[in-house]
Amino acid sequence: NAGVTQTPKFQVLKTGQSMTLQCAQDMNHEYMSWYRQDPGMGLRLIHYSVGAGITDQGEVPNGYNVSRSTTEDFPLRLLSAAPSQTSVYFCASSYSFGGYNEQFFGPGTRLTVL
Amino acid sequence: SQQGEEDPQALSIQEGENATMNCSYKTSINNLQWYRQNSGRGLVHLILIRSNEREKHSGRLRVTLDTSKKSSSLLITASRAADTASYFCATDGAGGTSYGKLTFGQGTILTVHP
Repeated sequence: NAGVTQTPKFQVLKTGQSMTLQCAQDMNHEYMSWYRQDPGMGLRLIHYSVGAGITDQGEVPNGYNVSRSTTEDFPLRLLSAAPSQTSVYFCASSYSFGGYNEQFFGPGTRLTVL
Repeated sequence: SQQGEEDPQALSIQEGENATMNCSYKTSINNLQWYRQNSGRGLVHLILIRSNEREKHSGRLRVTLDTSKKSSSLLITASRAADTASYFCATDGAGGTSYGKLTFGQGTILTVHP
């Protein structure tokens, strides 16, 4: 199993550009999430999904869109990149069985917006 | 807002010593989890403790949970240089089914000197 994969690993954008961060998992997990991590801070939830076709906002959703057409994939779209979106982005997936929801993280995408 | 607050922010010890990190949170929870992040990498799940548990062990890790004080501690015994990493607590909010929607603390940076 590849686990959770993310592409690209690094990306540099100019202000106003759009792009999609890809995330895929092969563990048949129902739940998937996107987080951002800024220096000296923990992870903050951007969007999450409890299954194909179902998404919801997290703590910091502004400027980002998501969709979940399949169980495996959960792409994150930046609509119009801003310098404040410079961060490291992590995708995670989990199952939920009896309240045990250990999250499996991808390796991250380091994004710089100029 | 960050649900979990961790202290200390940084901890420096010698190999063989024990390391203790603390986490406090604000609202009721289903479970509390601890993760490790090596520099430049994704997060790795260490241990999960449910709200009705008070202590849990996994190898050299010991986690305690005090729901009356809304706090948890992670003890790493006989630390090794390879334990050098950032450690995060994450809480899963109460109120029914968990949706893989964790709230992370800001983390403790642990440095273990050989």
